Amino acid sequence: GAVVSQHPSWVICKSGTSVKIECRSLDFQATTMFWYRQFPKQSLMLMATSNEGSKATYEQGVEKDKFLINHASLTLSTLTVTSAHPEDSSFYICSATPDISASYEQYFGPGTRLTVT
Amino acid sequence: QKEVEQNSGPLSVPEGAIASLNCTYSDRVSQSFFWYRQYSGKSPELIMSIYSNGDKEDGRFTAQLNKASQYVSLLIRDSQPSDSATYLCAGTAGNQGGKLIFGQGTELSVKP
Repeated sequence: GAVVSQHPSWVICKSGTSVKIECRSLDFQATTMFWYRQFPKQSLMLMATSNEGSKATYEQGVEKDKFLINHASLTLSTLTVTSAHPEDSSFYICSATPDISASYEQYFGPGTRLTVT
Repeated sequence: QKEVEQNSGPLSVPEGAIASLNCTYSDRVSQSFFWYRQYSGKSPELIMSIYSNGDKEDGRFTAQLNKASQYVSLLIRDSQPSDSATYLCAGTAGNQGGKLIFGQGTELSVKP
């Protein structure tokens, strides 16, 4: 149980284009999902908290107009990197907490490796 | 003081030994604590959660929580080379809807 998927697993795009990453909870409902970014040899950096049916809450320093988050249903959240630049190249990982869990356990998707050329 | 602090390592232990990973946390972190394992190039995997003082055992893993000392640890018994990974300690940020605060991770290397 508690499986989270992400699609695509890797993507290469040209500078200036937009990329959409999907995050799905496969066997549970998740009112809240989280988006992280991780650079090589560094720890996870929380970008935003995504709540179903409402606007995402972004961490300080994260541009909300550049990283668009939509939490369309209890099992799907998307992250769109708009006008991507090489410095946006990173490992993007989502996580989700089952609604029935009062313990805040987060289950992570496999991640999406983005390379902007 | 960082909110969740871990020794970055690397921690090297021989195969079959006990690996001990430690984590301290600040007043901003509360209630629930988690240990995640992250292999190089992969996403984190939840291996243990602990919510109350004391020990919690699951197979070769034992998590220990001491709220008075603001200290969490993970013991891995009979360490295997496949345990070589970065271990992330995390705790919930109080009243922030399940947001986790992560330590920087401890790299563990188990030598055959």
